[in-house]
Amino acid sequence: DGGITQSPKYLFRKEGQNVTLSCEQNLNHDAMYWYRQDPGQGLRLIYYSQIVNDFQKGDIAEGYSVSREKKESFPLTVTSAQKNPTAFYLCASTPRRGYQPQHFGDGTRLSIL
Amino acid sequence: GQNIDQPTEMTATEGAIVQINCTYQTSGFNGLFWYQQHAGEAPTFLSYNVLDGLEEKGRFSSFLSRSKGYSYLLLKELQMKDSASYLCAVRDDPPPAGNMLTFGGGTRLMVKP
Repeated sequence: DGGITQSPKYLFRKEGQNVTLSCEQNLNHDAMYWYRQDPGQGLRLIYYSQIVNDFQKGDIAEGYSVSREKKESFPLTVTSAQKNPTAFYLCASTPRRGYQPQHFGDGTRLSIL
Repeated sequence: GQNIDQPTEMTATEGAIVQINCTYQTSGFNGLFWYQQHAGEAPTFLSYNVLDGLEEKGRFSSFLSRSKGYSYLLLKELQMKDSASYLCAVRDDPPPAGNMLTFGGGTRLMVKP
């Protein structure tokens, strides 16, 4: 079955450490997105990519970085510059064209040790 | 700028009907989505409106008025499993700019016996 796989499900970060969240999709979608969700809040866009080797900052990109070397993969690095990283992180994808809903992975919950 | 408003919380009784409202002020409009999100899980797509009027899908219906910047999600014959957050999201860019969404803060619905 096609879908989006995020790993790990739970992740803990130490002070000053960078951590990378994985997002892989086998839906052949061009566009991929990373969102942050804080408790009781909606989704805020961190980064998005509409094509391989290209990505754009979203509303809250500071303290995060991404890469898009392959169509299937869009990893998110939470750097030490992100002082409040505790949140639920969701990855999504869509075809680039046409009116399509975003498909989401199951999320990664990141906490500070 | 983008502004999407939803009530933070609602409570309803099992078997009843509930209406969750969403108002939006966005720089453009190319469709409105409703998602359901159970606690700790990924959002799942419920409905999509791009033209004015009512879209019905079983127990769930969604309405859109573009002139008023207003949508609602109607849930009938409420079940306990409908307890979840409901997210309203607007797409402002037409394809081929992509399928990027701006999300509201979500409405947490609690269904009581």
